[in-house]
Amino acid sequence: AQRVTQPEKLLSVFKGAPVELKCNYSYSGSPELFWYVQYSRQRLQLLLRHISRESIKGFTADLNKGETSFHLKKPFAQEEDSAMYYCALRGNNAGNMLTFGGGTRLMVKP
Amino acid sequence: GAVVSQHPSRVICKSGTSVKIECRSLDFQATTMFWYRQFPKQSLMLMATSNEGSKATYEQGVEKDKFLINHASLTLSTLTVTSAHPEDSSFYICSGGGRQTGNTIYFGEGSWLTVV
Repeated sequence: AQRVTQPEKLLSVFKGAPVELKCNYSYSGSPELFWYVQYSRQRLQLLLRHISRESIKGFTADLNKGETSFHLKKPFAQEEDSAMYYCALRGNNAGNMLTFGGGTRLMVKP
Repeated sequence: GAVVSQHPSRVICKSGTSVKIECRSLDFQATTMFWYRQFPKQSLMLMATSNEGSKATYEQGVEKDKFLINHASLTLSTLTVTSAHPEDSSFYICSGGGRQTGNTIYFGEGSWLTVV
């Protein structure tokens, strides 16, 4: 079975502070990991995927297979980063099916 | 990026009636579409996976006779909540992807269903 855990429901930081949204997963094979973001009153949208190894809007995430983690990081948070963030996993036999974590609400205070 | 459009965005229906939610992929062929349900302050729970031209695969605990999913074309999937009850009130989200999207999944705006 595959499972994604986001231990923090809410993360509140001040503007300019570093931010790390935690994501841990359990999967027996080699998964693909994603971060999705949902801004207020907007649809879910892909933020980044581990295979791209890219930085989007200043966010990065590294897949750590030893710790089965895929934490999302940004060195200097901005107010416009306030949103819901979902970590998601796709197994290598799951077609396009995604399993989502519970989500973390990030609030960046001025 | 690709666009998935969901309609209606909000619907209120009376208990016992049926309501249909449409999910369209506007600029790509969605060979696979997914329907999720999201309760307030909770994560997305996958309800079913539908592949064009075949029957949907439902997740455990999801009543397939209550939540009818049709994926008759590569650009349209529908979710019909039959004999709706107040406990069916929720936020329903569809998503889709295919070869044209590089298997990236795109999400619809979601539909708020309120059963009164």
